[in-house]
Amino acid sequence: DGGITQSPKYLFRKEGQNVTLSCEQNLNHDAMYWYRQDPGQGLRLIYYSQIVNDFQKGDIAEGYSVSREKKESFPLTVTSAQKNPTAFYLCASSIQEGRNVYEQYFGPGTRLTVT
Amino acid sequence: SQQGEEDPQALSIQEGENATMNCSYKTSINNLQWYRQNSGRGLVHLILIRSNEREKHSGRLRVTLDTSKKSSSLLITASRAADTASYFCATIPAGNKLTFGGGTRVLVKP
Repeated sequence: DGGITQSPKYLFRKEGQNVTLSCEQNLNHDAMYWYRQDPGQGLRLIYYSQIVNDFQKGDIAEGYSVSREKKESFPLTVTSAQKNPTAFYLCASSIQEGRNVYEQYFGPGTRLTVT
Repeated sequence: SQQGEEDPQALSIQEGENATMNCSYKTSINNLQWYRQNSGRGLVHLILIRSNEREKHSGRLRVTLDTSKKSSSLLITASRAADTASYFCATIPAGNKLTFGGGTRVLVKP
């Protein structure tokens, strides 16, 4: 069963703690992405990676960090420097061929609540 | 500001009716994509339309693209309660990063 998974579905943390969100895909996609979605809003790009051991900042990277040590995995760490971390986080992956852009496949999301 | 802007922000229709939503964007694009999101879930890709295409169909979905007006429309025909969701357009204004609009929330009443 191919796809992209995120865990956990719900996550609760105290303010000041770092937290890592998991994203795994078995679609053999080179590119992976992290988005943040606030209630009633669209998606904003946090980080993306087009190849293993390389990643780029998106539009709202401050307070977040990522790693891409394996093709299948792209974990996102929400650090204590993120001022308003409570949000719905979505991971996605896609084929990457030069500058051609293909459809993205999304995970089910992780809802993070920080109090 | 966002590259893609959907209109209307919300739409309420009766089952069986058609639903139309629009997307306007600012810069030239290679392609435009439409996605659906059910409440609290991830997004699902619906259709990708390339800049040299004017219309594309997929089942009950019809997408048009007018590059001269920098706009696209998504039509859902014969809507069903299961079509209740938010619909997003996504474009690539620079590089190869998709940029999403704020979405249209569609409610189909049985």
